[in-house]
Amino acid sequence: GESVGLHLPTLSVQEGDNSIINCAYSNSASDYFIWYKQESGKGPQFIIDIRSNMDKRQGQRVTVLLNKTVKHLSLQIAATQPGDSAVYFCAETSGANSKLTFGKGITLSVRP
Amino acid sequence: DTEVTQTPKHLVMGMTNKKSLKCEQHMGHRAMYWYKQKAKKPPELMFVYSYEKLSINESVPSRFSPECPNSSLLNLHLHALQPEDSALYLCASSQGWGDSDTQYFGPGTRLTVL
Repeated sequence: GESVGLHLPTLSVQEGDNSIINCAYSNSASDYFIWYKQESGKGPQFIIDIRSNMDKRQGQRVTVLLNKTVKHLSLQIAATQPGDSAVYFCAETSGANSKLTFGKGITLSVRP
Repeated sequence: DTEVTQTPKHLVMGMTNKKSLKCEQHMGHRAMYWYKQKAKKPPELMFVYSYEKLSINESVPSRFSPECPNSSLLNLHLHALQPEDSALYLCASSQGWGDSDTQYFGPGTRLTVL
């Protein structure tokens, strides 16, 4: 079936470095993509989204890149801080409704 | 404001108990969702309400019974649960259901079934 997956289960980065979290999706009809951050004991928090008519979107310290040709999504975090430590999920939806398909999740660990 | 609130934060119940989880949003969203999340896994969709009507039931056992009393409130009634139902239960809401709208999540209720 269709799935959204992440390449790496964990990512460890030095504080101050840039982080890149990658996500692959398989549904070519997907047209809306979201990154969520989930801290321990909390619900997923919306970080940034992108629609399929764009290939890049920037927020505060975060950038999402979409490559529809290879069905690849990435989240870039600039100057990674200890507060960025969390599990990150990519999610996508195909436009027929708002049902989300989540990736497996990747843990970002920031070393001081 | 993108706040979804959930009560209680933690719940411990026996297999014969009846309890309810509550969710509330005041963003004017017309779609509300229940998810179940096990440790180190992504959320799994259980139910979707759109305009206070049940739109999707993802083959959830009948021991979970959702209710949407009005457009701001969503309940999940629990009865005769099993220990494997222990999980984080998340509520979410979005502007609508049919237009790829962003879902905003609440903090969750950590449920333990003894």
